[in-house]
Amino acid sequence: GAVVSQHPSRVICKSGTSVKIECRSLDFQATTMFWYRQFPKQSLMLMATSNEGSKATYEQGVEKDKFLINHASLTLSTLTVTSAHPEDSSFYICSARVGRGFGETQYFGPGTRLLVL
Amino acid sequence: EDQVTQSPEALRLQEGESSSLNCSYTVSGLRGLFWYRQDPGKGPEFLFTLYSAGEEKEKERLKATLTKKESFLHITAPKPEDSATYLCAVQAGGTGANNLFFGTGTRLTVIP
Repeated sequence: GAVVSQHPSRVICKSGTSVKIECRSLDFQATTMFWYRQFPKQSLMLMATSNEGSKATYEQGVEKDKFLINHASLTLSTLTVTSAHPEDSSFYICSARVGRGFGETQYFGPGTRLLVL
Repeated sequence: EDQVTQSPEALRLQEGESSSLNCSYTVSGLRGLFWYRQDPGKGPEFLFTLYSAGEEKEKERLKATLTKKESFLHITAPKPEDSATYLCAVQAGGTGANNLFFGTGTRLTVIP
């Protein structure tokens, strides 16, 4: 299967600082990547769809000015949590889409654990 | 409204005790139903995609089936290493067709 990496795997930061998370497709090109958030014992909630070379599409209730997404190349998307607060502490997971339309599959990265103090 | 419900929430099995996990769904035009395995603190690992009622797929001790209303993940003679949370997700054919809509998962524990 396709391999997706994330960096860092975990980060602890002070309230008010910004944190950048990288998502890379290692052995394929991904025009579309997705960012999810997962709280303890809950399922994945889609935050935004990241399209290479264009603006991200955010889900309802997700602040685009707080969660900045940049998909500058076919193998890299970044999520920056700006002015992070304790309520932003969560498990952030990216995925990359392989294929298009019928038969497409999303492959997920290992996730980034964010703790805001 | 698209909806995915997984049951049971948690399942404890003895090693070798076969069972099934259920994923019931309501979507407007199913494009695909996906099963993922998620270990604690890790991202989901892709297992299967099912596209049409009657379809079945197998991988080692796992077998996924699909009807028009639900999918089952059958686990035959499970081993402790099968312990994980199993997530079901659907992709609908309407607007936002890129999206995967996830259920809350079944947390499986296999006891040696």
